[in-house]
Amino acid sequence: AQSVTQPDIHITVSEGASLELRCNYSYGATPYLFWYVQSPGQGLQLLLKYFSGDTLVQGIKGFEAEFKRSQSSFNLRKPSVHWSDAAEYFCAVGAESNYQLIWGAGTKLIIKP
Amino acid sequence: DAGVIQSPRHEVTEMGQEVTLRCKPISGHNSLFWYRQTMMRGLELLIYFNNNVPIDDSGMPEDRFSAKMPNASFSTLKIQPSEPRDSAVYFCASSPTGRGSYNEQFFGPGTRLTVL
Repeated sequence: AQSVTQPDIHITVSEGASLELRCNYSYGATPYLFWYVQSPGQGLQLLLKYFSGDTLVQGIKGFEAEFKRSQSSFNLRKPSVHWSDAAEYFCAVGAESNYQLIWGAGTKLIIKP
Repeated sequence: DAGVIQSPRHEVTEMGQEVTLRCKPISGHNSLFWYRQTMMRGLELLIYFNNNVPIDDSGMPEDRFSAKMPNASFSTLKIQPSEPRDSAVYFCASSPTGRGSYNEQFFGPGTRLTVL
């Protein structure tokens, strides 16, 4: 079955610390992978996406993600978080043959001052 | 570009009333999606339109829900009659191509619906 797992419901990190949010997927076709961010009261905004090529992709706001096919993972990273990064982060997977995105449950990021 | 526009941003209504949510997608985008977000169920796709035609409405929870897209710049999601379990945030998203999953979906700010 197609699925996306974000194993951490909440993550708390100190401002200035590094961040890694985990995403694992199960998908039959070659996946297209996305990370979105949702700030409180807002819609979802795309951080970055992977379709093919270099498995390390750069996104907005200083985020990056690495596609590891052998581990079926697409983890999101940031070297130093800012208080404004407090939000909920969603991983999603799709494919060229299918319009629909499969969404993870989201990880809520809490920043400690 | 103004982005995806949704109205109203907040709606409070009483059980049994009709609710209409509105969406204006980004100009030139030909795919439109309606989602519902709740704490319990996360983000759920309700219906997908391509070139104004409903392609997949399998996510519409029941007959009380209906969606239309009369033209490329407007869509509605209607709930009639509304029930308290319909309380959620409803998002509209648009995408620039017919096969939207490999293109970015641009989300509106959402409509927070509360049914009392």
